[in-house]
Amino acid sequence: GESVGLHLPTLSVQEGDNSIINCAYSNSASDYFIWYKQESGKGPQFIIDIRSNMDKRQGQRVTVLLNKTVKHLSLQIAATQPGDSAVYFCAEKGAGETSGSRLTFGEGTQLTVNP
Amino acid sequence: NAGVMQNPRHLVRRRGQEARLRCSPMKGHSHVYWYRQLPEEGLKFMVYLQKENIIDESGMPKERFSAEFPKEGPSILRIQQVVRGDSAAYFCASSPQVANTEAFFGQGTRLTVV
Repeated sequence: GESVGLHLPTLSVQEGDNSIINCAYSNSASDYFIWYKQESGKGPQFIIDIRSNMDKRQGQRVTVLLNKTVKHLSLQIAATQPGDSAVYFCAEKGAGETSGSRLTFGEGTQLTVNP
Repeated sequence: NAGVMQNPRHLVRRRGQEARLRCSPMKGHSHVYWYRQLPEEGLKFMVYLQKENIIDESGMPKERFSAEFPKEGPSILRIQQVVRGDSAAYFCASSPQVANTEAFFGQGTRLTVV
């Protein structure tokens, strides 16, 4: 079936460096993607989203890139801080009338920021 | 403006007992989604509800699991005759309307079946 998945399960970076977290999706009909951050023991927290009619979107210290040709999504975090340490999930909005805002999540990348 | 509220935060049940998980959506939100997360895995969709209606339950096991979102009160995810494999974190999300695709998540209920 359709799924969203991640390339790397873990990523370790030095404080101050830039981080890049990747995601591959398989449903070419998806039109909306979200990156979530999940800290231990907490629920997913919205970071940034992007629609399929865009290639790039920037937020505060974060940028999401979408490459529809190869069905690839990435999250870039600038000047990574210890507080950025968490599991990051990409999620895809399902298509169809009954799907609403139903999201399909990838497996997650554990980001560890070393001081 | 309180966020999505879930309770209890932690729930321990013996095999064969029933588990009831509650979710109060954000104020003004009429769409509720339940997800299950196994340890070190991503969230898996279970069910999507609007007030008094189940819209999509394709991710919910056919047996022992049920969900409701009554006109008054929180949404309830009910698991009957729990088994060890039901141990997981259960997250609820809400959104104000279908067109607004961002869903806000609660802190989850961690169910442990012993």
